[in-house]
Amino acid sequence: AQTVTQSQPEMSVQEAETVTLSCTYDTSESDYYLFWYKQPPSRQMILVIRQEAYKQQNATENRFSVNFQKAAKSFSLKISDSQLGDAAMYFCAYRSAANFGNEKLTFGTGTRLTIIP
Amino acid sequence: GAGVSQSPRYKVAKRGQDVALRCDPISGHVSLFWYQQALGQGPEFLTYFQNEAQLDKSGLPSDRFFAERPEGSVSTLKIQRTQQEDSAVYLCASSWQGISPLHFGNGTRLTVT
Repeated sequence: AQTVTQSQPEMSVQEAETVTLSCTYDTSESDYYLFWYKQPPSRQMILVIRQEAYKQQNATENRFSVNFQKAAKSFSLKISDSQLGDAAMYFCAYRSAANFGNEKLTFGTGTRLTIIP
Repeated sequence: GAGVSQSPRYKVAKRGQDVALRCDPISGHVSLFWYQQALGQGPEFLTYFQNEAQLDKSGLPSDRFFAERPEGSVSTLKIQRTQQEDSAVYLCASSWQGISPLHFGNGTRLTVT
């Protein structure tokens, strides 16, 4: 079974600065997807960024980018120019590519990000 | 609708009561998932539907949990004889299928007293 570990329960960053959230995972599969989700107090999980394991290039979405190290099974999220609206719980998630149609996700325990004005 | 809708938003049940949680997925979405999120934890998979077929229920914690999606759209998660450990946020998510993104609802927070 796959596991996802987020070792930072809480992080804080000054507004406009850069912060990196860590995530490691364990799997015996070679093909999979990794995600970062944001969960504000509304509880809705919002997709931030996604990475396909077969792609060597790190995914980027505006101020959000990842550092995907497949051999090390590491998938960190970098948030540049942090904004007050970035404050939320952030979850790292894994999805196997093997089960077509069953896109169930395995989540980490989350990191609470606080933005300091 | 514009997004995944869940109701009720909050539910308080006395221990031993039965509860039913509803999920309205985005129209046309084939895949539907239920997750349970305990306080301070990440969501954990409960069950998966492809249209009306329940293809994976490996995450349901006990036989008190039952889910259905009879017409391939709206889904109901039912918990019988609720226990305190059932207190959690229950999230529903839907997608077209395959590698298309999951869309989550706002969840139902269940508190069992």
